[in-house]
Amino acid sequence: SQQGEEDPQALSIQEGENATMNCSYKTSINNLQWYRQNSGRGLVHLILIRSNEREKHSGRLRVTLDTSKKSSSLLITASRAADTASYFCATVNSGGSNYKLTFGKGTLLTVNP
Amino acid sequence: NAGVMQNPRHLVRRRGQEARLRCSPMKGHSHVYWYRQLPEEGLKFMVYLQKENIIDESGMPKERFSAEFPKEGPSILRIQQVVRGDSAAYFCASSPPSGSTDTQYFGPGTRLTVL
Repeated sequence: SQQGEEDPQALSIQEGENATMNCSYKTSINNLQWYRQNSGRGLVHLILIRSNEREKHSGRLRVTLDTSKKSSSLLITASRAADTASYFCATVNSGGSNYKLTFGKGTLLTVNP
Repeated sequence: NAGVMQNPRHLVRRRGQEARLRCSPMKGHSHVYWYRQLPEEGLKFMVYLQKENIIDESGMPKERFSAEFPKEGPSILRIQQVVRGDSAAYFCASSPPSGSTDTQYFGPGTRLTVL
């Protein structure tokens, strides 16, 4: 398995419900970031959480980080059809290059109207 | 304030041809990164460049691939003698000269299809 693995691989929910996606990683990190990718498009940076932070909020997004378990979760509250996209976590590993983002394979979120 | 621009958005090449992918970073950004995304995969780091310098090309295949970021003009990722396995989406990202290189702004990508 690779650094930054998202779980589940695919998630389908109804509009208005909350969506939770998880990310596990293997090495020590400086920070962890979440990105969204709409089908066939580029990546949009959502949120960055540093290794000394445990929780961060941005609008309807809530990210947690548990460095002891080497895991992070992304919660999208009150989901909308427009949230339909693939979501990737990316880590910047500590002790190495702070520019090299290591991505997981992503979670495909489908929000049904 | 234009974001990172990449062209072409779609590129079709036959095996053995050359592919040239261009990336114009955000205005004022002097750090450029290239990533490759194979189908159903996450992005993989390829190379990190600053103006006229390759800082880290550890993620780039040793043969057929090259990258540059000249003093003037866009960054270019060049793939010579393309093979079917090169079919992927290639993303460019940029970051400003000061501040953290771990906050990168991505372009829309170039989707390369090798026939």
